[in-house]
Amino acid sequence: DAKTTQPNSMESNEEEPVHLPCNHSTISGTDYIHWYRQLPSQGPEYVIHGLTSNVNNRMASLAIAEDRKSSTLILHRATLRDAAVYYCTYPRYNIGNEKLTFGTGTRLTIIP
Amino acid sequence: KAGVTQTPRYLIKTRGQQVTLSCSPISGHRSVSWYQQTPGQGLQFLFEYFSETQRNKGNFPGRFSGRQFSNSRSEMNVSTLELGDSALYLCASSLGVWGRKSYGYTFGSGTRLTVV
Repeated sequence: DAKTTQPNSMESNEEEPVHLPCNHSTISGTDYIHWYRQLPSQGPEYVIHGLTSNVNNRMASLAIAEDRKSSTLILHRATLRDAAVYYCTYPRYNIGNEKLTFGTGTRLTIIP
Repeated sequence: KAGVTQTPRYLIKTRGQQVTLSCSPISGHRSVSWYQQTPGQGLQFLFEYFSETQRNKGNFPGRFSGRQFSNSRSEMNVSTLELGDSALYLCASSLGVWGRKSYGYTFGSGTRLTVV
């Protein structure tokens, strides 16, 4: 199963950038790194995913270390709506082993 | 486009009963997976289906089962309900892994099951 390590909680000021770290030292060369976030009383929401190079979309950026053992989710300008639990994970690339394993995630608090 | 739809949103059942939860994935998504979320255990994988075949199963007792239909809609069933089965049950759909590319998962809002 995928093993990830994230800080339990982080705080950030509104309108400031936020860098959420994740360690995934057992990742293999073909596993994509996924990030999801979960707001209260909702299902997890897809944020971004990538393999090797840095990725950007309208929600966030994903910076992946050269050795792929860690990654950082970057929210460029945090808003109150970004307050959520953020999970990083990686589905194992093997047919028959397609699942997400979630750790405890990082609870992000945004300070107005 | 429509998201992942789970029904019902809320359910109250009595110990010993059985329950069936439904999930309609995003159109075109052939992979459907199920997760259980509790305050104590967090998000835990139940099983995953692709083109009507169960490809992977988590560490849950045989009381938990599922299936997928030809239109990719999926159901999960829990028989002989126990108090500890009270949880948020989440369904996620994805295009699945094709070749060397991976796709993100879209989750539904879940079914909140309470066993009394």
